[in-house]
Amino acid sequence: GQNIDQPTEMTATEGAIVQINCTYQTSGFNGLFWYQQHAGEAPTFLSYNVLDGLEEKGRFSSFLSRSKGYSYLLLKELQMKDSASYLCAVSPRGGTGKLIFGQGTTLQVKP
Amino acid sequence: DTAVSQTPKYLVTQMGNDKSIKCEQNLGHDTMYWYKQDSKKFLKIMFSYNNKELIINETVPNRFSPKSPDKAHLNLHINSLELGDSAVYFCASSQVGGAGDTQYFGPGTRLTVL
Repeated sequence: GQNIDQPTEMTATEGAIVQINCTYQTSGFNGLFWYQQHAGEAPTFLSYNVLDGLEEKGRFSSFLSRSKGYSYLLLKELQMKDSASYLCAVSPRGGTGKLIFGQGTTLQVKP
Repeated sequence: DTAVSQTPKYLVTQMGNDKSIKCEQNLGHDTMYWYKQDSKKFLKIMFSYNNKELIINETVPNRFSPKSPDKAHLNLHINSLELGDSAVYFCASSQVGGAGDTQYFGPGTRLTVL
């Protein structure tokens, strides 16, 4: 079966660091994406990991461990505008471009 | 602006009706997708087309029929609408359609079936 787990909700303080975890069990693995989705808007691409390790992009970093079926998204220097849902998505075996999404983690940033 | 666009943004209709949602991308991508996002925010793939050819066809009722007149357009027609079809439908596109290909999403169409 295909299963992707993320915490449903998280709260953090402006200026802080937050880590959003994602674990997955899928039939094959061709990479993992993180998307950000503000309420009522489209998901927008944040990062893609296919090899183990940390990918850094400004305030956002994403980590992958293929052997553990685990990824996290790290957000530093949190801003109020970072309040959004963060979606973890896995590209399974097949290479068709199909993505399997987790239910998303709603992050609320408080002053 | 280069983007993925969808019309309409909101659609309210009665059970049993037939409706269509249109999607266009001007990114020059070869592959387009339809996703359904339910009230619990799960985003689920429904269909994908690569250069007008159907590639992904998930377990979707055959009341849903995608049509791709050219690689820049992918429309979704829904027959005999049911209450459970209420959701946000997102169109997306990607360059090639392979693994690791970043998908770019349209603004979504919020469908409400009464």
